[in-house]
Amino acid sequence: ETGVTQTPRHLVMGMTNKKSLKCEQHLGHNAMYWYKQSAKKPLELMFVYSLEERVENNSVPSRFSPECPNSSHLFLHLHTLQPEDSALYLCASSQDAGGAAAPLHFGNGTRLTVT
Amino acid sequence: AQSVAQPEDQVNVAEGNPLTVKCTYSVSGNPYLFWYVQYPNRGLQFLLKYITGDNLVKGSYGFEAEFNKSQTSFHLKKPSALVSDSALYFCAVRDGEGTDKLIFGTGTRLQVFP
Repeated sequence: ETGVTQTPRHLVMGMTNKKSLKCEQHLGHNAMYWYKQSAKKPLELMFVYSLEERVENNSVPSRFSPECPNSSHLFLHLHTLQPEDSALYLCASSQDAGGAAAPLHFGNGTRLTVT
Repeated sequence: AQSVAQPEDQVNVAEGNPLTVKCTYSVSGNPYLFWYVQYPNRGLQFLLKYITGDNLVKGSYGFEAEFNKSQTSFHLKKPSALVSDSALYFCAVRDGEGTDKLIFGTGTRLQVFP
């Protein structure tokens, strides 16, 4: 059983909808991440939070909006998405994002389909 | 810029045979290298990492990886493959010092046949 829980597992939304992805980690880690996984492409890092502060934002379109209310929870708010945003969205956590090379612990992902 | 390359989209191996999944890297400075595995409908799981020290790194599930500085490679190996090893394998490199941001490869699908 993973220590990182993502909900929902599957999401289908229209381009005009607003939805949110949720991630919760039970590992006591202080860094959390959002990754996008598309077929035949490398994993794309979207956002990094360390100690609840955003430390990385990889030129992600503003239709993706992250929120980290505390070190255990991470959200990704979605609005006016495009069909090319359909992908598997993975949340991960680690102990420290300061270069100590701590392993990432991933959730099972949310499979998003934009129609 | 740091990068990793996984030259094979898929590797097929018979159960009981040794397996190798290839990874080459390009970094400035000392490489921090990782292998992760993704089983169907699951997130990625950490297998092993190389930071410094012994060139042969041992990890989970009987996997190991060999760091080769002259060939800039970090191939994943296992002496005897199991059908349950069938999964998607990702090589990754740390994107510079002072960060835990990882640059992932495109992944290699390992298929182990009974």
